[in-house]
Amino acid sequence: SQTIHQWPATLVQPVGSPLSLECTVEGTSNPNLYWYRQAAGRGLQLLFYSVGIGQISSEVPQNLSASRPQDRQFILSSKKLLLSDSGFYLCAWSGGEKLFFGSGTQLSVL
Amino acid sequence: QKEVEQNSGPLSVPEGAIASLNCTYSDRGSQSFFWYRQYSGKSPELIMFIYSNGDKEDGRFTAQLNKASQYVSLLIRDSQPSDSATYLCAVPPGSQGNLIFGKGTKLSVKP
Repeated sequence: SQTIHQWPATLVQPVGSPLSLECTVEGTSNPNLYWYRQAAGRGLQLLFYSVGIGQISSEVPQNLSASRPQDRQFILSSKKLLLSDSGFYLCAWSGGEKLFFGSGTQLSVL
Repeated sequence: QKEVEQNSGPLSVPEGAIASLNCTYSDRGSQSFFWYRQYSGKSPELIMFIYSNGDKEDGRFTAQLNKASQYVSLLIRDSQPSDSATYLCAVPPGSQGNLIFGKGTKLSVKP
């Protein structure tokens, strides 16, 4: 069966610091991968999606970037975090139309 | 741009009652609909999906589609305190396999 791993679970970072969140999927090959953000009191916002290694599409312009160095690995990065980057970050993979989420990372930028 | 609208709630129901959650969608051509449950501090979990060809029942959960009025409902029978969560409705945009989510309805089931 397919599983998705995301870490860390919580992260507290100062403004201006870098960020790296990692996500890996097991049990499937060539999955579509996604990064979503959920800010307090707001809905799920799609940040990036990838249909294959090195193929990244951005939905929202911002100071975040994503990379897919391996088939089942998806990384979300930032060179300098802003206060507005705080939120709950979710990695997901799709099986057909269904989306399956990782456990999420609660990021607090102080 | 497809849109999904949900009443943010909170919707409060007594234990054992039927909870009814609604979601409206903008694209009349939408063919599939998904319901996710999200406990506080946790990630969304897929609990139900239906296609435009009919309603679906799974245990205490029933998803119903009203195409004419463009809304989909999730009914939870015999509500339990453990059903207290935010319920997210989602539809596919038609490309890339991702989903467009509503902001969710917070359900509170009182013992």
